[in-house]
Amino acid sequence: AQKVTQAQTEISVVEKEDVTLDCVYETRDTTYYLFWYKQPPSGELVFLIRRNSFDEQNEISGRYSWNFQKSTSSFNFTITASQVVDSAVYFCALSLTGANNLFFGTGTRLTVIP
Amino acid sequence: ETGVTQTPRHLVMGMTNKKSLKCEQHLGHNAMYWYKQSAKKPLELMFVYSLEERVENNSVPSRFSPECPNSSHLFLHLHTLQPEDSALYLCASSQDRGLDEQYFGPGTRLTVT
Repeated sequence: AQKVTQAQTEISVVEKEDVTLDCVYETRDTTYYLFWYKQPPSGELVFLIRRNSFDEQNEISGRYSWNFQKSTSSFNFTITASQVVDSAVYFCALSLTGANNLFFGTGTRLTVIP
Repeated sequence: ETGVTQTPRHLVMGMTNKKSLKCEQHLGHNAMYWYKQSAKKPLELMFVYSLEERVENNSVPSRFSPECPNSSHLFLHLHTLQPEDSALYLCASSQDRGLDEQYFGPGTRLTVT
């Protein structure tokens, strides 16, 4: 069975602090993709990154970075020097070959306090 | 702007009403999806269409009826809903179903009274 766990329900940080959002996944497939999405108060989920199971290189995009570790089945997301605009709900998701859809975690609500 | 639009953004309807939600994607994608997002629950996949053919119905009650007239448009027809159907309904599209990233619309906030 496939599952995505985001154990942190809510996180609050003060502006300019770094914050890491955890994501742990379960699957028996060897080929899969992992995703992160951001859902600001406006509602739509914004795609942030897709990573395939054969690429364990960490990725950095501006203040965002992702750490993919197959050994621990984790795909964690770090925001450096957080800003108020980063306040949103962040979802981690998993997709499998042959599946029609993404399997989403329950999300982590991040609040950045000015 | 993700290239996926949804109308209306907000909808209040009584349990005996019939209404429709509309989704349009301008990305040239082949797959479209309906999700339901309720408070404190994971996103629930409702329907998947690939090349205008429904490929998944995730045990959704018959009071929700999807329609995909072409690859750019997706509708969700609603009738005799229950208060527990109140939620944010999100439409998404992807190049092909499965492994591709999905692009989401802003959602329709539905309240059933």
